[in-house]
Amino acid sequence: DTGVSQNPRHKITKRGQNVTFRCDPISEHNRLYWYRQTLGQGPEFLTYFQNEAQLEKSRLLSDRFSAERPKGSFSTLEIQRTEQGDSAMYLCASSLRGDGGFGEKLFFGSGTQLSVL
Amino acid sequence: GDSVTQMEGPVTLSEEAFLTINCTYTATGYPSLFWYVQYPGEGLQLLLKATKADDKGSNKGFEATYRKETTSFHLEKGSVQVSDSAVYFCALSPYSGAGSYQLTFGKGTKLSVIP
Repeated sequence: DTGVSQNPRHKITKRGQNVTFRCDPISEHNRLYWYRQTLGQGPEFLTYFQNEAQLEKSRLLSDRFSAERPKGSFSTLEIQRTEQGDSAMYLCASSLRGDGGFGEKLFFGSGTQLSVL
Repeated sequence: GDSVTQMEGPVTLSEEAFLTINCTYTATGYPSLFWYVQYPGEGLQLLLKATKADDKGSNKGFEATYRKETTSFHLEKGSVQVSDSAVYFCALSPYSGAGSYQLTFGKGTKLSVIP
């Protein structure tokens, strides 16, 4: 179990640029989640995949955000035309379906810290 | 919508002191409740959980009881250690027939334990 890996750890970009983050979940986990956390707040749900299918999307996920999980393995989160309000920690988590049904355990990565100047 | 309210920090305690971090929630139906912990420089880790009323979750000396009548899930530990210094998040997961797995988190409570 190597844990959930996120890259890069830090990203600084200028407003209007596009950025892409990568998440590698624990290998046998079929569920993958993206959350966003701003300073002094708890993580907020963005989207959820089961295998390669994106099953839930938060209203927080504007049209500028897109997430993919090709082949049900790693996932990418892209933000187009970044805005200063996008500055946050982007967290990825994974879980294994069947690990308790509802109330299942999520394993989080250390996150990608985005700063939009 | 669903929400979680937890006591604001930071909380500073001396080693071996008793810890309580209050957490209350608002949700429809019968949510599952969690405490996650984030140690410095690390990702969030599940500390304990409870999936139905009156369940008690416990781990590493921490406990929390799912109280539906007071919509609470307070975290307690009888004797804290310096290594418990971290940010603690209370969270809920709604239950629906189709299965909804998104977590709603509180704002977090930073705990510092001094020797």
